[in-house]
Amino acid sequence: DTGVSQDPRHKITKRGQNVTFRCDPISEHNRLYWYRQTLGQGPEFLTYFQNEAQLEKSRLLSDRFSAERPKGSFSTLEIQRTEQGDSAMYLCASSLRRNEKLFFGSGTQLSVL
Amino acid sequence: GENVEQHPSTLSVQEGDSAVIKCTYSDSASNYFPWYKQELGKRPQLIIDIRSNVGEKKDQRIAVTLNKTAKHFSLHITETQPEDSAVYFCAASGDGGATNKLIFGTGTLLAVQP
Repeated sequence: DTGVSQDPRHKITKRGQNVTFRCDPISEHNRLYWYRQTLGQGPEFLTYFQNEAQLEKSRLLSDRFSAERPKGSFSTLEIQRTEQGDSAMYLCASSLRRNEKLFFGSGTQLSVL
Repeated sequence: GENVEQHPSTLSVQEGDSAVIKCTYSDSASNYFPWYKQELGKRPQLIIDIRSNVGEKKDQRIAVTLNKTAKHFSLHITETQPEDSAVYFCAASGDGGATNKLIFGTGTLLAVQP
């Protein structure tokens, strides 16, 4: 068990481009979360998967954001037509049960120029 | 929805002193309250958590207290050490635990001066 891994660690893109991030949770964890964190703020919930089903999505998440978790293993987060306001650290986390310890990945730092 | 407020935003203490960070939440039905530590450039890591059926929990130098009536909970670190320097986030389970998301506070930057 090597923990939650995310790829890439850093992504620099131009405004208007599409980006995709990947998260590999701890293998036995069926719960997977995406959070976004900006400087000086706590992680902000984006979306939640249980196995392959996306069960929750933040109202703050615009339709430019989409996430998938095919086969209930790894997950991808895609941002279409990126905007400068999308610049943030995107964190993935997984857990075994609800209201138990979240294991976070190292995050993907997105910079939109 | 749930809202979590955290104070102070920065805290500087001398090594060996105690540090206290306080959080309030809005949803009286929330039932799970974890604390995460995030060192510079690293991922958040759980340091302690408490559920609504207990009022206090302790793990070595770290303790958390919960006042359900007042809807606030606090992190207490005793005998602080330089390696305790980090950003600490409190969180609460949103919507009374019926959801799966955690709502995080804005963080407290703790600096322990040697």
